[in-house]
Parts: sequence; C-alpha cells; structure tokens
Amino acid sequence: GENVEQHPSTLSVQEGDSAVIKCTYSDSASNYFPWYKQELGKRPQLIIDIRSNVGEKKDQRIAVTLNKTAKHFSLHITETQPEDSAVYFCAASPGGSNTGNQFYFGTGTSLTVIP
Amino acid sequence: KAGVTQTPRYLIKTRGQQVTLSCSPISGHRSVSWYQQTPGQGLQFLFEYFSETQRNKGNFPGRFSGRQFSNSRSEMNVSTLELGDSALYLCASSVEGNTEAFFGQGTRLTVV
Repeated sequence: GENVEQHPSTLSVQEGDSAVIKCTYSDSASNYFPWYKQELGKRPQLIIDIRSNVGEKKDQRIAVTLNKTAKHFSLHITETQPEDSAVYFCAASPGGSNTGNQFYFGTGTSLTVIP
Repeated sequence: KAGVTQTPRYLIKTRGQQVTLSCSPISGHRSVSWYQQTPGQGLQFLFEYFSETQRNKGNFPGRFSGRQFSNSRSEMNVSTLELGDSALYLCASSVEGNTEAFFGQGTRLTVV
C-alpha cells in the first residue's frame, strides 16, 4: 500500500519568515495530494490540494509543488503569521474518482510561528 | 450548509465492550471515510463507504466494521474493545472519490 513520509516533525519560524514542509510517497498511482491544517482540539481542514497533472498551485501565502518523477510534494507558507501555528498533514490518494477517498497521511508537522 | 457531524463527541468504555460511532455527512456527499488518529500513529485510514457499499478498507482487524445508510449517514462499530483502541475517530465526507474531504470534529474514545 501507499506510504507517505513527512518532514520535519516540528518546525519553528519567526513571524514573517517562510516555512517549508516536505512529503514523499511510494505509490506511483497516487494522483491527488491534499494538505490539511489541524489546530489544537479542532478538526483537520483542507488548506490546499494538487492533482498529479499539475506541478504547482498557489493560494495567497500558501503554495504546493509536486514532483511526480521523484514522488515528492511540498507545502510552502510565506510571510508566516502566529495564526499559522498548527499541525500540518500531507496526504496521498491513489486511484481515480471511482476508487474512492482513501487518504494515506504523513505523520504531521507541528509548526510554531514565533511573534 | 451544515458541516460533518459526529456523535457522540466523547465516550468512555471498558475493555471488552463494543461501541458504535455515528457520522452525518454534508448534504449531497455520498462518500464517507473513517480515520483513527493517535499521537503515535497519526491519521490512519479505516474504511470508506459510497452509496451504502464499502469501497475501500484499511489495515485494521475485523473488530472494526462500518456501514452506510441510504441517507449517506455512516456508523462504525468496534467490538471487543482493547486499551489500544483509545483514539480520536474522525470521519470525512466528500462528493466523490479523490475530491476534497471535509472532516467532522471527531469522537474521542477512551477505553479503560
């Protein structure tokens, strides 16, 4: 089955700096890669996603890049703010739309933005 | 539009008992998937239901089961509870596979 590895497990940055979280996956059939943010005691919430036919996607201060050949994808947060502090999870989903939602998650990155 | 609703929010059960958790998806969503979240193992996929059929299953023992009703609401059941089953159980709903999944608040299960 799919195996997703995520690094680093913890990350501290100064407010205004950039943060980068990296994930690798093992199943070349995976074609949908969402990123979730989970604040303490709250549900995971999707912040950005990318499909395998796209190399990069950006939404304001957040961007995701995907390298299918190397099987890795990264989350980039620019101009970090204290409210960005949370645990971030990457995930990979194998198969097409008829195979269902079956996300394999990384182990999470605890991001702390220091004011 | 109401979000994904999970009940109950908290449960305390004794080892050996069984438990049923409920998940009501967003209206119009037909896919419901379940995940177990623990500090040590992170988020692990349990199973996914679509139109009352289990479409995918993760690597969990047969004590973990689920079902989906015609209104897309889903339940998961854990029989013969073990201490290691203590976790946050999250469900997520989506319109279709490989699309954005919306998570519920989760059910915190404690087995004593």
